[in-house]
Amino acid sequence: AQSVTQLGSHVSVSEGALVLLRCNYSSSVPPYLFWYVQYPNQGLQLLLKYTTGATLVKGINGFEAEFKKSETSFHLTKPSAHMSDAAEYFCAVSGTGGYNKLIFGAGTRLAVHP
Amino acid sequence: EAGVTQFPSHSVIEKGQTVTLRCDPISGHDNLYWYRRVMGKEIKFLLHFVKESKQDESGMPNNRFLAERTGGTYSTLKVQPAELEDSGVYFCASSHRASSGNTIYFGEGSWLTVV
Repeated sequence: AQSVTQLGSHVSVSEGALVLLRCNYSSSVPPYLFWYVQYPNQGLQLLLKYTTGATLVKGINGFEAEFKKSETSFHLTKPSAHMSDAAEYFCAVSGTGGYNKLIFGAGTRLAVHP
Repeated sequence: EAGVTQFPSHSVIEKGQTVTLRCDPISGHDNLYWYRRVMGKEIKFLLHFVKESKQDESGMPNNRFLAERTGGTYSTLKVQPAELEDSGVYFCASSHRASSGNTIYFGEGSWLTVV
């Protein structure tokens, strides 16, 4: 069975600081990996995804994530936080066979302070 | 192009009452999904429609929940009778293709509070 663990339910950074949100997965086969973001009063929006190819994936709003198979990780980073990045971030996994059924982590709420 | 729309955005009902949530997927998307997040927990899969057929309903918690997608367009999720533990956010999502790796587009969610 697949599972996702997001370390830290709350992360707080200063504006301009590095953002690092951690995600580890468990899967018997190499999965597809996703990061979604939920801004206040909005729906879930896809930030980026890894399916095949380059393990460093770039997404919207300056975010990127690197798939590390040996560490079973897919951490999300952004070099410089902006106030508008304050939101809840969800890591998700799906199997590579069959259809698209996402397994989500518990989410990490990011706060950005001046 | 309109995204996935859900109605109502918020609902407060009493235990034992019935609530029906509606989802309109992105036009042309045959695949429609329902997910749920109860307070403080993970977002969990409920079920998946391909057009009007239920492809996978393994996540439906019990028989108080009934999902339909008549005509393969919009979908409804009915909870009858509602219990306190049903409170949470119900997300609808859709995708053009069902195969793994394809992007799933989510709506803003329907917030349900059962008192």
